[in-house]
This record gives sequence, C-alpha cells and structure tokens, in this order.
Amino acid sequence: RKEVEQDPGPFNVPEGATVAFNCTYSNSASQSFFWYRQDCRKEPKLLMSVYSSGNEDGRFTAQLNRASQYISLLIRDSKLSDSATYLCVVNRDGNQFYFGTGTSLTVIP
Amino acid sequence: ETGVTQSPTHLIKTRGQQVTLRCSSQSGHNTVSWYQQALGQGPQFIFQYYREEENGRGNFPPRFSGLQFPNYSSELNVNALELDDSALYLCASTPGQGYEQYFGPGTRLTVT
Repeated sequence: RKEVEQDPGPFNVPEGATVAFNCTYSNSASQSFFWYRQDCRKEPKLLMSVYSSGNEDGRFTAQLNRASQYISLLIRDSKLSDSATYLCVVNRDGNQFYFGTGTSLTVIP
Repeated sequence: ETGVTQSPTHLIKTRGQQVTLRCSSQSGHNTVSWYQQALGQGPQFIFQYYREEENGRGNFPPRFSGLQFPNYSSELNVNALELDDSALYLCASTPGQGYEQYFGPGTRLTVT
C-alpha cells in the first residue's frame, strides 16, 4: 500500500470556483504534513504546512484528520494562476518525506 | 526563490555511464535530501544527509550514493546508469528534521 494516496484528477474548474483536494496516508505514526504545488517542469514549492487544528492562508485552507488519516486542501475563489499540480506530503520519521502522485488542477477562464 | 541551487540543469548520459549531480543548500540549512521524480509521479526519496552523514535512505540500490560537505552542499552520484534513471533529480534543504523542505530547480537527467 502506498504511503500517500491522492486523487490524480484532473480537476478543471472555472475561475472563482471552490475546489477541494483530498489525501490519505497509511501510517498512523506520521508526524508532519504539508501541501506543495508544482508547476509544469518546475520544482515543488511549499504551499502550506498542515496543523492538527487546521490552518488558513488567504484563499487556502488545510485540514488534518488524524483519526481518519486524511488531509485536505480547499482553494476558494480559484484564480488562473492556481493551475498546477498539488502534492500532498507526509513526514513520518523526521528524515523521509513521502509524496503523493499529485492532483492536477486547471482553472478555466 | 528558495536559495537552493543545483547543477547542471540538464544532462544526457549513455547507459552504463556514471553521473554526479550537485546541490547547494539554503544558508543555515544543515540537512539535504535528494529525490527522483519520474514523469507523472511524485518525488521519491533517495536519501538524506545531516551534518555530512547519511541519515535515512529510500528504496534505491547502492549504485545511488551521496556526499555532504562541511559547507552543507551535497552531491548525488549514480553509477551504471540505466534507462529508467531518466528523471528529474531534486535536492531539498531543511533547517531540521521534520521541518518543511525547500527544493532546488532540479537536474533533468536523460539516459539513452
């Protein structure tokens, strides 16, 4: 079983829409959680860390459910510039980060 | 920009050859990780170096090896290249274990 599983999409949404991505992780000992975005043929860039209490950064909201081993990312008021692949990342033992395969988002004018 | 740099940006090698990729970490970051990202996949962890010692390794064969130097820069060496080694190789630095990682632009390796 994969450490991190994501719906690969693609998600095609109109500008201004709200879109949610989900991610599950297999190991309950996982300790820290992140969302990264990756533009085509570029490196992953940190979008936000995910905290147990949930956290928000502008139009982006991340939630963590440890009981269900589930992480989510909500994007409100989608912009064209949000088009990218969103990677769910889990860290278990301090040194190894496990990446999902990514969810592709295209925001349509 | 993250301050993490990698060289070269692109590389073409022949099967069986050896390659060395380089990474300079962000100032103040003593931990460097290397990842392999095949097309359409998420990055896969190769190994991590902390204060010049290997500090964790993913499911990669021994022909993938690395070094970290006193200034925290790092190298990834791959021997006996195979066609499946063609990928984007990413270096990431972090201020400490478990903290968010900051990626360099990557080296795109093509093995023919």
